[in-house]
Amino acid sequence: QTVVTQEPSLTVSPGGTVTLTCASSTGAVTNNYYPNWFQQKPGQAPRALIYSTSNRHSWTPARFSGSLLGAKAALTLSGVQPEDEAEFYCLLYHGGTWMFGGGTKLTVL
Amino acid sequence: QVQLVESGGGVVQPGRSLRLPCAASGFTFTNYAMHWVRQAPGKGLEWVAVISYDGSDKYYADSVKGRFTISRDNSKNTLFLQMNSLRPEDTAVYYCARARSFGAANSIDYWGQGSLVTVSS
Repeated sequence: QTVVTQEPSLTVSPGGTVTLTCASSTGAVTNNYYPNWFQQKPGQAPRALIYSTSNRHSWTPARFSGSLLGAKAALTLSGVQPEDEAEFYCLLYHGGTWMFGGGTKLTVL
Repeated sequence: QVQLVESGGGVVQPGRSLRLPCAASGFTFTNYAMHWVRQAPGKGLEWVAVISYDGSDKYYADSVKGRFTISRDNSKNTLFLQMNSLRPEDTAVYYCARARSFGAANSIDYWGQGSLVTVSS
């Protein structure tokens, strides 16, 4: 049973920088897992932020960036804004099927 | 603009069936694979299934394999999720989502607003 793991919660100050990570129980996350990142605010549908490790969608602010960090996928938020407070989910491809991580609740405080 | 509108949700008894449609507009439906994703109340996102642009490739999460079927009607720009043998743990908001391109290996760019399915006696 494959498991995708994220930090349950993180806190960051406004204007600060924070990195969220995403690991797979199958081994090191590589570009072949096509890592994706989504943001979800309470009562709303999720919104896509990053696809294929590091590509922003046309609507994604430049302060969001994706990368591989060691054996994990990573989402870095630089110059955090109060409106960035939300739940963040990664999504990994496992040869035909996809799997979400458990989500990271980001608090801006 | 891309629009995805789910419908068909409601309360259903355990063991019964339900079919969710998702009406797509604002893009050429036949060019894109499509996903279903669900979210139980107060829980995280769970990927459910994906179908390629022409319906030739379909993949499912282990939790729904053999019970749920994803399909599409490209003549009506509509995606479907047929859910059989429903269980209380299938209670969730079900989201229809567009893939970035035609193949099932493409992830999600646009989401619908979701349809709530409650499985309860």
